Amino acid sequence: DGGITQSPKYLFRKEGQNVTLSCEQNLNHDAMYWYRQDPGQGLRLIYYSQIVNDFQKGDIAEGYSVSREKKESFPLTVTSAQKNPTAFYLCASQMGGNTEAFFGQGTRLTVV
Amino acid sequence: GENVEQHPSTLSVQEGDSAVIKCTYSDSASNYFPWYKQELGKRPQLIIDIRSNVGEKKDQRIAVTLNKTAKHFSLHITETQPEDSAVYFCAASGYSTLTFGKGTMLLVSP
Repeated sequence: DGGITQSPKYLFRKEGQNVTLSCEQNLNHDAMYWYRQDPGQGLRLIYYSQIVNDFQKGDIAEGYSVSREKKESFPLTVTSAQKNPTAFYLCASQMGGNTEAFFGQGTRLTVV
Repeated sequence: GENVEQHPSTLSVQEGDSAVIKCTYSDSASNYFPWYKQELGKRPQLIIDIRSNVGEKKDQRIAVTLNKTAKHFSLHITETQPEDSAVYFCAASGYSTLTFGKGTMLLVSP
């Protein structure tokens, strides 16, 4: 189903904890992205990676970290420095610029 | 960087009416303009896209127009149906990342 999988679907975090969201794709895409979605805010870019072992900050990178050790995987860690982490997180992948981006089914993170 | 503005934020129509959503972009180097549909609780999915060497593209009930000079592009949905109800996002990119608009919630009433 689309070849890009996020897990878990729902995640609860206590204040002060780091949590890691998983994103795996089997589409052989070079580029991968993390977006945050809040009501009325659209899709805001957190981090992106266009090649293994390289990634760049997006518009709202503070309080987040990523790694890209394998082409297929682009995990996102939400650190305790992110003051308002409750949101819907979407991972996406692309073959390259100017091509269709495929999205995972999303992870809904809630701070409890 | 690129900035994409999308209007309206909410659009309510009666079944059978047409719906138009408009976007403007800031970077004249952008040359790819996709539209995504996101149903409640689901992932965004591409419904149509257009490149800067084309002024209009149509796929059944949906069409997209692009005005490069004015830096704006629009999504047109004709003969709307209740299943068209969703959030629609426009986006723009050059050869790098996609920048998305804030979305339009389309409500189609039977």
